[in-house]
Amino acid sequence: QKEVEQNSGPLSVPEGAIASLNCTYSDRGSQSFFWYRQYSGKSPELIMSIYSNGDKEDGRFTAQLNKASQYVSLLIRDSQPSDSATYLCAVLGDSNYQLIWGAGTKLIIKP
Amino acid sequence: DAGVIQSPRHEVTEMGQEVTLRCKPISGHDYLFWYRQTMMRGLELLIYFNNNVPIDDSGMPEDRFSAKMPNASFSTLKIQPSEPRDSAVYFCASSLIRRKDWVNEQFFGPGTRLTVL
Repeated sequence: QKEVEQNSGPLSVPEGAIASLNCTYSDRGSQSFFWYRQYSGKSPELIMSIYSNGDKEDGRFTAQLNKASQYVSLLIRDSQPSDSATYLCAVLGDSNYQLIWGAGTKLIIKP
Repeated sequence: DAGVIQSPRHEVTEMGQEVTLRCKPISGHDYLFWYRQTMMRGLELLIYFNNNVPIDDSGMPEDRFSAKMPNASFSTLKIQPSEPRDSAVYFCASSLIRRKDWVNEQFFGPGTRLTVL
């Protein structure tokens, strides 16, 4: 059974600090990794995708991938109250085109 | 460019009634996914299509659920008869998958919040 694990939180971070979200996955053959943000009552929104080991930066967001350790993380710099949401990690396996989803981490940015 | 469109946004029905949810994917996308989300079970994949053909429906919970994709711009998810435990948010997502480099970025519609009384 392929699994994606996330700490459900809530993770509380003061405004302006760095928020660090982590995700581990079980399938060593996984090729693609995604972070989605979901505001309460809204649909998941793709914010980062990463396909190779290392860091990928996009504005205040940095995704980090370590395939050897089977984890992917998302850093949010200069956290804003508007970043408060649930962050879903999704992993694409090597055998089909389905995403395996984590349960999500609820992030709260305190003003 | 319009995103994924779903209708209705909210549906309240009584147990035993038929429910039909509709989805229009992003133009040019060749994969369409139907998901269900609840607090207890999170985001669950129900079924997905490639070029209008159902590929994997192993996530469909029961025979009461059925899905069709008659053309590249329209899909339906039908529940007949509906039950209270079907209450959830149903999302449709579409994707253009590049197999050579494993790019599979799925874009979600706004969802349909279904309540079965």
